[in-house]
Amino acid sequence: NAGVMQNPRHLVRRRGQEARLRCSPMKGHSHVYWYRQLPEEGLKFMVYLQKENIIDESGMPKERFSAEFPKEGPSILRIQQVVRGDSAAYFCASSRLGRGTSSEQYFGPGTRLTVT
Amino acid sequence: QKEVEQDPGPLSVPEGAIVSLNCTYSNSAFQYFMWYRQYSRKGPELLMYTYSSGNKEDGRFTAQVDKSSKYISLFIRDSQPSDSATYLCAIGLGGKLIFGQGTELSVKP
Repeated sequence: NAGVMQNPRHLVRRRGQEARLRCSPMKGHSHVYWYRQLPEEGLKFMVYLQKENIIDESGMPKERFSAEFPKEGPSILRIQQVVRGDSAAYFCASSRLGRGTSSEQYFGPGTRLTVT
Repeated sequence: QKEVEQDPGPLSVPEGAIVSLNCTYSNSAFQYFMWYRQYSRKGPELLMYTYSSGNKEDGRFTAQVDKSSKYISLFIRDSQPSDSATYLCAIGLGGKLIFGQGTELSVKP
């Protein structure tokens, strides 16, 4: 049973470019979460999605960041006009059940974004 | 005050020792409690999860939750060098997990 898959594993972008990070949840999981881990900081929640719906985006920066989880295909975290402060590890997690019920989140290996 | 507080360590113990890792939290509405292990430059790996006060055991690991004190613990028995990693507590509300800072553990042979 394949785990959560993320690609690319490493991504280098120059300031002002766009970054697209992809996440495929575990088989049977329809809930996806994105977290960011900045150097020397803990994991911070960004957004929670179900298929075609954003459930909670309270942790997303107001500008330049967006996320989607289409009916078909992986979840995408998109960062427009990247800045050096966006350099971080971005982790995706998935769960079988959603909010309000018992729900264990399983994490992918992460995408390490470096902005030069 | 942070919603979840965790001593970042580092914590160094000899092989075979019992390790105690702890977190405190401030919001009594939190619903569920998890412990993750993260090796350097890897994704967090789920170790334990629980939803109520009390103890839960899985092999060498025991998770303990005290909701009245807003305090959670992870105990590792017979620690091994392969347990050397960063341990993260995570507390859930709705679909969101709020993580502690992580405790860096080193088990010396």
